[in-house]
Amino acid sequence: EEQLLESGGGLVQPGGSLRLSCAASGFTFSIYAMSWVRQAPGKGLEWVSAISATGGNTYSADSVKGRFTISRDNSKNTLDLQLNALRAGDTAIYYCVKTVGPSSQGRYFQVWGQGTLVTVSS
Amino acid sequence: QSVLTQPPSVSGAPGQRVTLSCTGTSANIGAGYDVHWYRQFPGTAPKLLIYGNDNRPSGVPDRFSGSKSGTSASLAITGLQAEDEADYYCQSYGGLLGGWVFGGGTKLTVL
Repeated sequence: EEQLLESGGGLVQPGGSLRLSCAASGFTFSIYAMSWVRQAPGKGLEWVSAISATGGNTYSADSVKGRFTISRDNSKNTLDLQLNALRAGDTAIYYCVKTVGPSSQGRYFQVWGQGTLVTVSS
Repeated sequence: QSVLTQPPSVSGAPGQRVTLSCTGTSANIGAGYDVHWYRQFPGTAPKLLIYGNDNRPSGVPDRFSGSKSGTSASLAITGLQAEDEADYYCQSYGGLLGGWVFGGGTKLTVL
């Protein structure tokens, strides 16, 4: 069974940093793009960042560009998201997602983790 | 404000057919990019329901179907059941500048 397990969430003060991790199992991690999608409390879904299968290409939403960094370790089947300069508006559940599709234009989110909650508050 | 527009709520009686809409622009759906749909039950992670406009992953009943035309897409659910009550999100691609985009979600209520 394909599984994604996030960790690293918690309470952090505005301006602080946090590192989220995602452990993948049940599929060949190294051949799939991966993404982070977040959901603020009571709100809809927002794509945050994506990384190609090899890690050579990364993409980020304008709302987090320059503050969040996505990375992966294909030898350990792990995906990370470094969150810096956090704001109250970054408060959300962060989902690790297996991303599939024939090209960037057709990519979709096939498998989701259970999510990890990040709360930014003083 | 979400890039794709979905009605906040839709309702239907058991056994009925309902249609959930997803409206985009020439920068996303209208540019020919595929539309995908997800279902989310309260307190759980979203799950893929339809991919590539009209394809169902294994395990998704054929009561669920997707379609796309112009700048819009639709998710149809026939034979509505109480267990279909959930939030439904559409997703597409917004180009190099827009990235991957979602609708704001539709809460489906089974009366």
